[in-house]
Amino acid sequence: KAGVTQTPRYLIKTRGQQVTLSCSPISGHRSVSWYQQTPGQGLQFLFEYFSETQRNKGNFPGRFSGRQFSNSRSEMNVSTLELGDSALYLCASSLRENEQYFGPGTRLTVT
Amino acid sequence: GQNIDQPTEMTATEGAIVQINCTYQTSGFNGLFWYQQHAGEAPTFLSYNVLDGLEEKGRFSSFLSRSKGYSYLLLKELQMKDSASYLCAVRGDAGNMLTFGGGTRLMVKP
Repeated sequence: KAGVTQTPRYLIKTRGQQVTLSCSPISGHRSVSWYQQTPGQGLQFLFEYFSETQRNKGNFPGRFSGRQFSNSRSEMNVSTLELGDSALYLCASSLRENEQYFGPGTRLTVT
Repeated sequence: GQNIDQPTEMTATEGAIVQINCTYQTSGFNGLFWYQQHAGEAPTFLSYNVLDGLEEKGRFSSFLSRSKGYSYLLLKELQMKDSASYLCAVRGDAGNMLTFGGGTRLMVKP
């Protein structure tokens, strides 16, 4: 069974631009969560989608948004990029409560 | 709110045993996860505890005490490839949201 896939793997953007990241969960997994990882703040929860509905949201500004499609694939969008948004963005999928599997991440650099 | 603490760094010798502790104070609890993360890579799932006690999986074991808000990850027969960061994460009452500790960077020396 294929794992969680994320595209693109690397991205360089300029301040003020917007970016869209994509995540395809493991087949059959309906829950997709997004996390931001930075050296200073560690891993922080952004939001979770389940059956196309946002179920939870972390403490991030409204510039961060997401959505989930009927095939469980998810996208997250960051508008008006800031230098501090440079991070590794990780997506995790789960089928049962005792598991969450992470994708390889998208490394975003904002210049 | 959630507060999860784990040591920042640990060093151990190849072939030895190391215990990485994690303490948590959370408003809700619905399971504790341990992940391994090598530099530049994504976290990989190691273990999940929701009931008190020890879960063993090969060279890795994880323990949970809910009354003490305490867990540990035990790594036996350490290998050089075990050098990585180990992340403790708590799943609260709301969906699959995980709150992570800062991670423990383990260095295994020959």
